[in-house]
Amino acid sequence: DTVLTQSPALAVSPGERVSISCRASEGVNSYMHWYQQKPGQQPKLLIYKASNLASGVPARFSGSGSGTDFTLTIYPVEADDTATYFCQQSWNDPPLTFGSGTKLEIK
Amino acid sequence: EVQLQESGPGLVKPSQSLSLTCSVTGYSITSNYWGWIRKFPGNKMECMGYISYSGSTSYNPSLKSRISITRDTSKNQFCLQLNSVTSEDTATYYCARYGGNYFYFDYWGQGVMVTVSS
Repeated sequence: DTVLTQSPALAVSPGERVSISCRASEGVNSYMHWYQQKPGQQPKLLIYKASNLASGVPARFSGSGSGTDFTLTIYPVEADDTATYFCQQSWNDPPLTFGSGTKLEIK
Repeated sequence: EVQLQESGPGLVKPSQSLSLTCSVTGYSITSNYWGWIRKFPGNKMECMGYISYSGSTSYNPSLKSRISITRDTSKNQFCLQLNSVTSEDTATYYCARYGGNYFYFDYWGQGVMVTVSS
């Protein structure tokens, strides 16, 4: 299975830029997707295929990367961005795999 | 608007079968792919498998001997059955729609918490 590694937690202040990384154990082309999950809610798609903004998602969110290294960037960060962010790959399937999540705290 | 809603028992005894239903409104399950994902305590997420617009299925190899995903197109529902459950199957179970050609999940149900315990 393709293992996706994410940093466990980050803390930033409102208005700052934050980059959340996801490293794959093997190449996934550009088939990396990002989700935001708030407590008690279902995940919400933010970015698909590495850099494409999902419908209705603010342009403060952006994605980049290819191969094994990917980044989700939020700028400027807002208080409402407090959540856990997951990456998911769909190049090496089955199975599709998720990262372990990065918990973002807004100071 | 596409909406998904999971339903099923929240408590299952060890060695029994877990059965969940996902009811879809606003879109036909005879289009796209439809899957089940679970999130364990501690945040780990696992894609369990999917059923396609044509009814074909694909399962996570780690579950292949225990899992079945079926559908009822007349009710616009698809179902998960997981056999021989243990406490390690305790998780929140989500159904979701695969969007586009790149196998990401663009619509999710709210999730149902399932505990395996005697």
